[in-house]
Amino acid sequence: DAGVIQSPRHEVTEMGQEVTLRCKPISGHNSLFWYRQTMMRGLELLIYFNNNVPIDDSGMPEDRFSAKMPNASFSTLKIQPSEPRDSAVYFCASSLEVTRQVGSYNEQFFGPGTRLTVL
Amino acid sequence: AQSVTQPDIHITVSEGASLELRCNYSYGATPYLFWYVQSPGQGLQLLLKYFSGDTLVQGIKGFEAEFKRSQSSFNLRKPSVHWSDAAEYFCAVGTSYDKVIFGPGTSLSVIP
Repeated sequence: DAGVIQSPRHEVTEMGQEVTLRCKPISGHNSLFWYRQTMMRGLELLIYFNNNVPIDDSGMPEDRFSAKMPNASFSTLKIQPSEPRDSAVYFCASSLEVTRQVGSYNEQFFGPGTRLTVL
Repeated sequence: AQSVTQPDIHITVSEGASLELRCNYSYGATPYLFWYVQSPGQGLQLLLKYFSGDTLVQGIKGFEAEFKRSQSSFNLRKPSVHWSDAAEYFCAVGTSYDKVIFGPGTSLSVIP
């Protein structure tokens, strides 16, 4: 298996531009997570999906951020308009949720990340 | 509120020396604890996890961690460090379903 695939690996854009990050989870996994990593705030969960449905988006910083999962093999995280403070590494992770109950944790497999720089 | 602290921002050890990375957590119920490793330019990889049972947990790459409820700690150890262990290490606590809260991380440097 190729693991979680993210594209692009690096993105440099100017303030005000729209940015779209893409993620392909591991085939067969049914949960997908988007994280943001910065020096100041560490690793933060932005949103996670289960069976393509957003379950918790409480970590999405503001309305400029949106995420979609149109099917089990693809998700996007969009920032519109982008700002310099959005500069960070964005990770996608997926897991296979076998049982859905509190305390049943399933290992998350992380992609290599997208390093976003907003000038 | 749940939180994770890692007191050491950066640690340097000599190759072959023992290693202990500290982790303290705050959580109201029985914690679900994890250690992840992040190599430069890579995503995070799970080293080990504790859910219940034996408080000494074995993981991959020769790592182990010990859960101490009285100290709210989950320290990571390795008896002999290899140069390839140089990386960023994250402790994390599970809150509900698959959500985890990550600590700030400890950067490990290994001197040949």
